[in-house]
Amino acid sequence: NAGVTQTPKFRVLKTGQSMTLLCAQDMNHEYMYWYRQDPGMGLRLIHYSVGEGTTAKGEVPDGYNVSRLKKQNFLLGLESAAPSQTSVYFCASSYTERITDTQYFGPGTRLTVL
Amino acid sequence: AQSVTQPDIHITVSEGASLELRCNYSYGATPYLFWYVQSPGQGLQLLLKYFSGDTLVQGIKGFEAEFKRSQSSFNLRKPSVHWSDAAEYFCAVGPPGDYKLSFGAGTTVTVRA
Repeated sequence: NAGVTQTPKFRVLKTGQSMTLLCAQDMNHEYMYWYRQDPGMGLRLIHYSVGEGTTAKGEVPDGYNVSRLKKQNFLLGLESAAPSQTSVYFCASSYTERITDTQYFGPGTRLTVL
Repeated sequence: AQSVTQPDIHITVSEGASLELRCNYSYGATPYLFWYVQSPGQGLQLLLKYFSGDTLVQGIKGFEAEFKRSQSSFNLRKPSVHWSDAAEYFCAVGPPGDYKLSFGAGTTVTVRA
């Protein structure tokens, strides 16, 4: 039982390049989330998914797209990376949408955009 | 909208000493409150949570937190820290009936021998 895994762990991009971050969970959770963590700002929700094939915008969605083609995977895409997207990205999952259900986090992806 | 403030960016504590991390929240009613820990190279792990009832909450790894409504605070404590407690700690709040968590900026704890 690996929990929540993220690929890759580190990545350096040049401005304008694109990339996809992969999040996978093996807990059969319905809900999945993408956050970004910036110094002095805590975690902010980018996008989330309430089930296979459904996604929705979070607090800071601009410049990102997501897809949930399989229940266990949640992909975060950057179509044209910008330096402002330099951040640490965390994926999380939970069984339901209830805030009482624990969100389980992956180890993070550190992205640098030059 | 809810918000969370963690006034201390960095705290250094000696091994074996007590630790207290502050968290203040802003919300119209009593929110659900959480503390997460992020060890180096790891994802966030839930330490404890408060929904209602007893205002002193026990968590994992020997941590506890106390909810004080009058002060809008949810401070985290540990009586005796271990070197393995060196990590970043995040307080989070969320409205009942919702799933969206709002995180504080985090407090980094350094433990010296």
